[in-house]
Amino acid sequence: GAGVSQTPSNKVTEKGKYVELRCDPISGHTALYWYRQSLGQGPEFLIYFQGTGAADDSGLPNDRFFAVRPEGSVSTLKIQRTERGDSAVYLCASSLEGVGTEAFFGQGTRLTVV
Amino acid sequence: GNSVTQMEGPVTLSEEAFLTINCTYTATGYPSLFWYVQYPGEGLQLLLKATKADDKGSNKGFEATYRKETTSFHLEKGSVQVSDSAVYFCALSGGGGSYIPTFGRGTSLIVHP
Repeated sequence: GAGVSQTPSNKVTEKGKYVELRCDPISGHTALYWYRQSLGQGPEFLIYFQGTGAADDSGLPNDRFFAVRPEGSVSTLKIQRTERGDSAVYLCASSLEGVGTEAFFGQGTRLTVV
Repeated sequence: GNSVTQMEGPVTLSEEAFLTINCTYTATGYPSLFWYVQYPGEGLQLLLKATKADDKGSNKGFEATYRKETTSFHLEKGSVQVSDSAVYFCALSGGGGSYIPTFGRGTSLIVHP
């Protein structure tokens, strides 16, 4: 596609439910990143994929969060037993590998846990 | 680890005023430095970048110079427009061998006619 696509754009869920957020990166981009952005804050790193593997998942806040990228393209961020504190905008970005390459961002998924 | 510190906002200016948004960083090695912009209702997009010391990135009248001696990458524009109203994020990647972009908290700019 022309850019990074994230679906859904908005998601409202009840506390304790399971949610999946999808990211479709730019074709040919091997690197994929998930970030979380709370109001008035910058993007907070969650996980980085190089191809199909999670090269760095040090930003995942706890074991309720998990992400996959089984074919090295589309990625899904999964959150189990959602809590109200998980409410935020979840951003996905993709890039080519290499020094100085820019990350291209999707519009984000606004998750609200009620 | 890598970190980015930006001046707090909001920054409120009149049209045609001079803009500076300060950004300093902490990183090992020689990171690449970026400014991203987020216009209302839109996603983050790259505004400009610099990949080595003393490089100047520029775009849409905005400029920033990579200063390794002061670990800074301040954003400037000589004459802002109402359409520049947005949130600006300073970021780095490549420090310490990690390509993962690290962002500052963002600075909101409001330009009045």
